Amino acid sequence: QQPVQSPQAVILREGEDAVINCSSSKALYSVHWYRQKHGEAPVFLMILLKGGEQKGHDKISASFNEKKQQSSLYLTASQLSYSGTYFCGTEKNGATNKLIFGTGTLLAVQP
Amino acid sequence: NAGVTQTPKFQVLKTGQSMTLQCAQDMNHNSMYWYRQDPGMGLRLIYYSASEGTTDKGEVPNGYNVSRLNKREFSLRLESAAPSQTSVYFCASKGLGGSYEQYFGPGTRLTVT
Repeated sequence: QQPVQSPQAVILREGEDAVINCSSSKALYSVHWYRQKHGEAPVFLMILLKGGEQKGHDKISASFNEKKQQSSLYLTASQLSYSGTYFCGTEKNGATNKLIFGTGTLLAVQP
Repeated sequence: NAGVTQTPKFQVLKTGQSMTLQCAQDMNHNSMYWYRQDPGMGLRLIYYSASEGTTDKGEVPNGYNVSRLNKREFSLRLESAAPSQTSVYFCASKGLGGSYEQYFGPGTRLTVT
């Protein structure tokens, strides 16, 4: 029931781009993205509601394809500060208040 | 504004001991959550409370109990700790309606020997 994230880990040089994918076997109402730096708490990045919208947060954007039950997070021109573990959290309907998180994607940006 | 606070930060228990993890938020949020985080497993929901006076099970509730003491506080109790409960525990809270963001506390690192 946990969404599947890919890749599990990625190493980039500053300025390179990356895509992180999140797939669910269940129909989704929304997808939430969080970033967690080592030893810290997760921090909210953005939410995508069903409707196939795309959102942005600085040079980080995401899309949500509800028919495919997939979301992708796009990191453009990566910076050192982007390093951390990225989690998608999925919600089956807006009434549940419950998020089921994926296992995470570790992103390391090197100088 | 302290946000979400958790106590203690670290705890070591022996198998069979009990303890309560405390969580409080000062953002007047309705919903509160308890997660555990294990290497390679991501964040897994233990229990949540959509509003004061209500609690519901998450993905991994066995071995835990919760109390929503009031709107601010949501505690997690381990009645008889087991080594499988060694983990980092995060509390989170969320506001009403169009507020989607969950705010996480700093976490409690629990080791059960």
